[in-house]
Amino acid sequence: EPEVTQTPSHQVTQMGQEVILRCVPISNHLYFYWYRQILGQKVEFLVSFYNNEISEKSEIFDDQFSVERPDGSNFTLKIRSTKLEDSAMYFCASSPEGLGTEAFFGQGTRLTVV
Amino acid sequence: AQRVTQPEKLLSVFKGAPVELKCNYSYSGSPELFWYVQYSRQRLQLLLRHISRESIKGFTADLNKGETSFHLKKPFAQEEDSAMYYCALRATGFQKLVFGTGTRLLVSP
Repeated sequence: EPEVTQTPSHQVTQMGQEVILRCVPISNHLYFYWYRQILGQKVEFLVSFYNNEISEKSEIFDDQFSVERPDGSNFTLKIRSTKLEDSAMYFCASSPEGLGTEAFFGQGTRLTVV
Repeated sequence: AQRVTQPEKLLSVFKGAPVELKCNYSYSGSPELFWYVQYSRQRLQLLLRHISRESIKGFTADLNKGETSFHLKKPFAQEEDSAMYYCALRATGFQKLVFGTGTRLLVSP
């Protein structure tokens, strides 16, 4: 069964550094998403991406964040100048279409900013 | 703004007992409601959605618009049901899912 895959599973970075979290969505899916979950808190939407552009984003997704689909398979989340509060589990998801379809989630990348 | 509330952080039951995981939402329009489950060391996966009105793994959930609730129920819990359960809402015209804080279900033998 096709799955969304995320790498790395755990990333440790120093405060102020840039990190790139990588995701390979399911191959025939058209919509891609990033969510995050700070320890002990709820899963929060960051951004959705369709047709090579951001289709929806939350207030969390400020200039510190960017997303890209650099080739036909990868979907990346870049976090510039990381802060301690960026430490969280980051989930990538994809869906075949947007509205009314199921989102399939990856295993997540645990980002620890020290 | 949309909000999903799951009042119980932990629900502990014995095998064979009925289970009800509560979910209430706040949204002025017609929502799409989902239950996602995360088993130990596995990914979030869709358990069921109110549109399909089906039973998955013995679980059912009914959307009650009057009470703005979408509680998840199972008449006889099994040990393999132990997991984290998240209720989520998608508002009309939006792609994003709004999640509750989750309820950990622990089914003991």
